Amino acid sequence: DQQVKQNSPSLSVQEGRISILNCDYTNSMFDYFLWYKKYPAEGPTFLISISSIKDKNEDGRFTVFLNKSAKHLSLHIVPSQPGDSAVYFCAASFSGSARQLTFGSGTQLTVLP
Amino acid sequence: EAGVAQSPRYKIIEKRQSVAFWCNPISGHATLYWYQQILGQGPKLLIQFQNNGVVDDSQLPKDRFSAERLKGVDSTLKIQPAKLEDSAVYLCASRLRGRGEKLFFGSGTQLSVL
Repeated sequence: DQQVKQNSPSLSVQEGRISILNCDYTNSMFDYFLWYKKYPAEGPTFLISISSIKDKNEDGRFTVFLNKSAKHLSLHIVPSQPGDSAVYFCAASFSGSARQLTFGSGTQLTVLP
Repeated sequence: EAGVAQSPRYKIIEKRQSVAFWCNPISGHATLYWYQQILGQGPKLLIQFQNNGVVDDSQLPKDRFSAERLKGVDSTLKIQPAKLEDSAVYLCASRLRGRGEKLFFGSGTQLSVL
């Protein structure tokens, strides 16, 4: 049972344009969501997070939006840069899970120069 | 600040052999996790430690996998005997208690079982 889904395995975007990565979840108990970025041969690194009490969180070029009614979150990157090319994982947790993270399968973002 | 250290980076073994991975978390991080990432999938939790105690090992295949965290610092994950389907990247992560869900990951060990 895949509780966190990233239905787009890959996404290509032109440099300078907006990248939108999507994530859906099924477990209504999730109350904290994170995005991680992973380069080849490296471990995932934390990018940005959002609590379920908010619907938007912004950090520089990165903004995460949460739509609780639709059980959907998205990561916007504006403007996209070639260095943003990586695999992006969506993750979720809830307070009763010892704060364990459940990850999606990832989206490979390629930013074309 | 040093990150999460893992070794080896790569390991190739034949099926039915045994293998061990080592992890040294960030200093002061009480919580340590081992994740398995199969190609094309997201990381899947195998085991979670709080200091030297196991918090959750419900997804650890205990007939072949074992893990320990002696003295609440370093940890080792062992597979014996290995199967072809164990080919994956094994990621160690740590978290500072009370600092939310932000995990810090090591670079992982890429295991190939032939």
